[in-house]
Amino acid sequence: ETGVTQTPRHLVMGMTNKKSLKCEQHLGHNAMYWYKQSAKKPLELMFVYSLEERVENNSVPSRFSPECPNSSHLFLHLHTLQPEDSALYLCASSQDGMWGFNEKLFFGSGTQLSVL
Amino acid sequence: RKEVEQDPGPFNVPEGATVAFNCTYSNSASQSFFWYRQDCRKEPKLLMSVYSSGNEDGRFTAQLNRASQYISLLIRDSKLSDSATYLCVVNRGAGNNRKLIWGLGTSLAVNP
Repeated sequence: ETGVTQTPRHLVMGMTNKKSLKCEQHLGHNAMYWYKQSAKKPLELMFVYSLEERVENNSVPSRFSPECPNSSHLFLHLHTLQPEDSALYLCASSQDGMWGFNEKLFFGSGTQLSVL
Repeated sequence: RKEVEQDPGPFNVPEGATVAFNCTYSNSASQSFFWYRQDCRKEPKLLMSVYSSGNEDGRFTAQLNRASQYISLLIRDSKLSDSATYLCVVNRGAGNNRKLIWGLGTSLAVNP
């Protein structure tokens, strides 16, 4: 399998549920990201991991909890979400270059999340 | 003013047409520029980087104008399969302070 794979593709959850999104990259990259895409808004960066260390957390509410056990895997743990958290959640990876991370990103197909 | 601005469109063009999109950015210190393509209900995919000297990839040409702080994407001989949203992305900062700033995208519909 190649590229960046995300599961599940679709997720419906209640506000009291706990769920996790999973991402795996097969590209040998050393940086991984979680993005949120909502209608009529630009992509919002949530978290960045470089060499398995979190290097950025863009003021994301604590109901979103990332985990990066190794450079190939990334999780986003969800609990007590709100309806406004409904969005497309995208995982991406890249290879750190001389300019730092955030170079060319390769995205997974995303998880369409609906919070009821 | 948004840091990255794009005309949302939609641009409706017939097959074979030439279409151009512009994207303006506000941070003069920006160093890297990209165009991504996103099909409906799919993930963004890198279309091309934008280099200072301009670059071409088949029917696609990207240009950078640092003085006026905009980048452009030209698509020649449009195909039905070019229908998508085109996202302008600008990178600023360096090292761990490096950030990608995404535009809202320009929607293109190529019609038969």
